[in-house]
Amino acid sequence: DARVTQTPRHKVTEMGQEVTMRCQPILGHNTVFWYRQTMMQGLELLAYFRNRAPLDDSGMPKDRFSAEMPDATLATLKIQPSEPRDSAVYFCASGSQDTYNEQFFGPGTRLTVL
Amino acid sequence: RKEVEQDPGPFNVPEGATVAFNCTYSNSASQSFFWYRQDCRKEPKLLMSVYSSGNEDGRFTAQLNRASQYISLLIRDSKLSDSATYLCVVNDDTGFQKLVFGTGTRLLVSP
Repeated sequence: DARVTQTPRHKVTEMGQEVTMRCQPILGHNTVFWYRQTMMQGLELLAYFRNRAPLDDSGMPKDRFSAEMPDATLATLKIQPSEPRDSAVYFCASGSQDTYNEQFFGPGTRLTVL
Repeated sequence: RKEVEQDPGPFNVPEGATVAFNCTYSNSASQSFFWYRQDCRKEPKLLMSVYSSGNEDGRFTAQLNRASQYISLLIRDSKLSDSATYLCVVNDDTGFQKLVFGTGTRLLVSP
């Protein structure tokens, strides 16, 4: 049963610390998305990659957030320095042309910045 | 104005009831439409795609009205297990597979 995996599942950190979240997309999926979900804003697209190349990161605060895909099996989202307003659930999702528009989501990383 | 707007609810219905959700979208060039389901503290999962001609999957019926730019989801014979948040999703025509999610409508089905 192919799934998107994310680590860590939960992260509590203090303001100013660096946070790195990792995602392993489903094998064979060539498109990877990073979302942030809060009660107020819902699901917001932060960035997405196709074939490891960044296509759109306009939803991401550039001064503190960065997203990379060092290889086809790993995507990372980094926040440095973290702020309390970054507290949210961060989801990674993957898809491919074979899945049309269906995106398969990972379980999310629940981030709390104190 | 948000690109995809939904009534947040919650909709409280008894088991066996029929319930309908609507959502509106602002981008008239959107081509693809979906309903995703999200259980409490879980990830969103695709419930069904929405086609221009309307489509049905068991107790679930989805419809699209392009002229009025709204999408609907009808759930018949509600089950306790239908309790979840239903996300209306629209494909942003500016990018392949780039989806825009509504904030969701919460459904609570009670015994």
